[in-house]
Amino acid sequence: EAGVVQSPRYKIIEKKQPVAFWCNPISGHNTLYWYLQNLGQGPELLIRYENEEAVDDSQLPKDRFSAERLKGVDSTLKIQPAELGDSAVYLCASSFGGRSVGEQFFGPGTRLTVL
Amino acid sequence: GQNIDQPTEMTATEGAIVQINCTYQTSGFNGLFWYQQHAGEAPTFLSYNVLDGLEEKGRFSSFLSRSKGYSYLLLKELQMKDSASYLCAVRDHRGNQGGKLIFGQGTELSVKP
Repeated sequence: EAGVVQSPRYKIIEKKQPVAFWCNPISGHNTLYWYLQNLGQGPELLIRYENEEAVDDSQLPKDRFSAERLKGVDSTLKIQPAELGDSAVYLCASSFGGRSVGEQFFGPGTRLTVL
Repeated sequence: GQNIDQPTEMTATEGAIVQINCTYQTSGFNGLFWYQQHAGEAPTFLSYNVLDGLEEKGRFSSFLSRSKGYSYLLLKELQMKDSASYLCAVRDHRGNQGGKLIFGQGTELSVKP
């Protein structure tokens, strides 16, 4: 079974440029999560989708970050414009059922460097 | 609010046993997870506790005391490949936060020969 797929794995951009990350969850997983992980820290939730609905985006900096999951499958996270402090690893995870026991399966992440 | 504390780093010897502690404060507790994360890789699921007691899975065991807001991960017969960061995460079930995981900072475990 294929795991959570993310692309690109690495991205280097200059500040003020836009950037987008893509995630394809495990087949059949209706819940998708985007996390931000800084070096030496645990992941922090940015947004959670149940199917195509964003049910928790309270931690998403909406002035520059946006996300979409139009058909309830894959998802895109965008930053525009990027700032130096956005340098981090962006992790996507999926699970079966947001309120059930279901463990979250993580993708390999996209490491973003903003210069 | 929510708060999760775990030691920043630990060192242990190959073949030994190590216990990684995690304390938490949360208003809507709905389970505690332990994840393993090797450098540059994705976190991978190790264990889940929702009721008090010990869950054993091979060389790894996890314990939970809800009244004390305390959990530990026990690793036996340590191997060099166990060197990684171990993340404690609490799930909150309140309102639209159902299923939301709050992670601790992680404990960096170094296994020495």
